[in-house]
Amino acid sequence: KNQVEQSPQSLIILEGKNCTLQCNYTVSPFSNLRWYKQDTGRGPVSLTIMTFSENTKSNGRYTATLDADTKQSSLHITASQLSDSASYICVVSPRGGYNKLIFGAGTRLAVHP
Amino acid sequence: EAQVTQNPRYLITVTGKKLTVTCSQNMNHEYMSWYRQDPGLGLRQIYYSMNVEVTDKGDVPEGYKVSRKEKRNFPLILESPSPNQTSLYFCASSLGVMNTEAFFGQGTRLTVV
Repeated sequence: KNQVEQSPQSLIILEGKNCTLQCNYTVSPFSNLRWYKQDTGRGPVSLTIMTFSENTKSNGRYTATLDADTKQSSLHITASQLSDSASYICVVSPRGGYNKLIFGAGTRLAVHP
Repeated sequence: EAQVTQNPRYLITVTGKKLTVTCSQNMNHEYMSWYRQDPGLGLRQIYYSMNVEVTDKGDVPEGYKVSRKEKRNFPLILESPSPNQTSLYFCASSLGVMNTEAFFGQGTRLTVV
């Protein structure tokens, strides 16, 4: 069963535009929700970590939101740059899971000039 | 520079030939883990370790072994590799077990023929 589902699977946008990536999860209860950026052939790099009590967290042009009632999170990218081309992965850590991480399959974003 | 280092980055081997993928971190982290990443799927945990000499199975441990004799090193051992273990492998480390950022290595792309 997929406990963390992301949409869309892939997305193409033009440089300078904004975009929003979605994450729906069924993991409950959970300790925190994370967003990672993974460049092709590289390891994931953390963008944001939100505990279950937080609603939003920003990191530069990246803003993550969390609605624990609807079990949804989104990652908003503002004024996209070519270097934003990557996969973006939503990760949920179950409460009491000893830092166990449950990964979504990711959204592959391509930013074109 | 704080980092998680995996070696080798690329490996092609034949079925049944034992191999070891090394992982080392220089951040004095207690928690380390191994993941595999396959197309269309999220990262899946193979094994994890909460401290020296403490290891436990993740979600897909079959066909793998690990050891944690020193805090900084967490090698992944494939005693008898099979083609279904062809995958992209990531080692990760974090300071603790709750709400702490996970740092990932650069990945090891393994092909078993």
